[in-house]
Amino acid sequence: AQSVTQLDSQVPVFEEAPVELRCNYSSSVSVYLFWYVQYPNQGLQLLLKYLSGSTLVKGINGFEAEFNKSQTSFHLRKPSVHISDTAEYFCAVSGRGGYQKVTFGTGTKLQVIP
Amino acid sequence: GAVVSQHPSWVICKSGTSVKIECRSLDFQATTMFWYRQFPKQSLMLMATSNEGSKATYEQGVEKDKFLINHASLTLSTLTVTSAHPEDSSFYICSARDGRLGETYEQYFGPGTRLTVT
Repeated sequence: AQSVTQLDSQVPVFEEAPVELRCNYSSSVSVYLFWYVQYPNQGLQLLLKYLSGSTLVKGINGFEAEFNKSQTSFHLRKPSVHISDTAEYFCAVSGRGGYQKVTFGTGTKLQVIP
Repeated sequence: GAVVSQHPSWVICKSGTSVKIECRSLDFQATTMFWYRQFPKQSLMLMATSNEGSKATYEQGVEKDKFLINHASLTLSTLTVTSAHPEDSSFYICSARDGRLGETYEQYFGPGTRLTVT
């Protein structure tokens, strides 16, 4: 079984400032890691995913995340945020291989302040 | 890219009635579909997993007789909320995995259905 912890429920940040959204996971097996974004009253859109290889993963909209196995973390970063980045962000984890359920964190609301 | 649609996007129904929500994969074959429930300001809770042509697998605590799931084809899964009550009001989201991919790890999400039971 896996679990995901997003420590920050809300993160306010000024426009054009950098941001980091934290995600820690727990698993007894090797995992895949994901970040999703959800705009109000919409479904989830995949931002980026870590499957294997380079621990620094680049996604859409200028976001990137770094997989740190020793710290079991997968923090999401963006060097300069825009108003349009205001949304809910979910970190997710699944086991590798075959059919594996995806477990979501509780989400972090990113509020970009003009 | 892979697109998943849901219909309706928003529905209001009276207590005691049943509501059917459709989830379609528009440009790929979805061998596995998932149904999630999301309460306001909370994360997604997996309700059930459905594989085409077989019975859905429900998560612990989800009433299978209340939330009927049918995955009749590779592009369509339906969730029927039977005898709906106000506590069933929620945002329901489906997702699908593309069966053509060897490593079916990625899910494509629908836009969600807002259900309000009065």
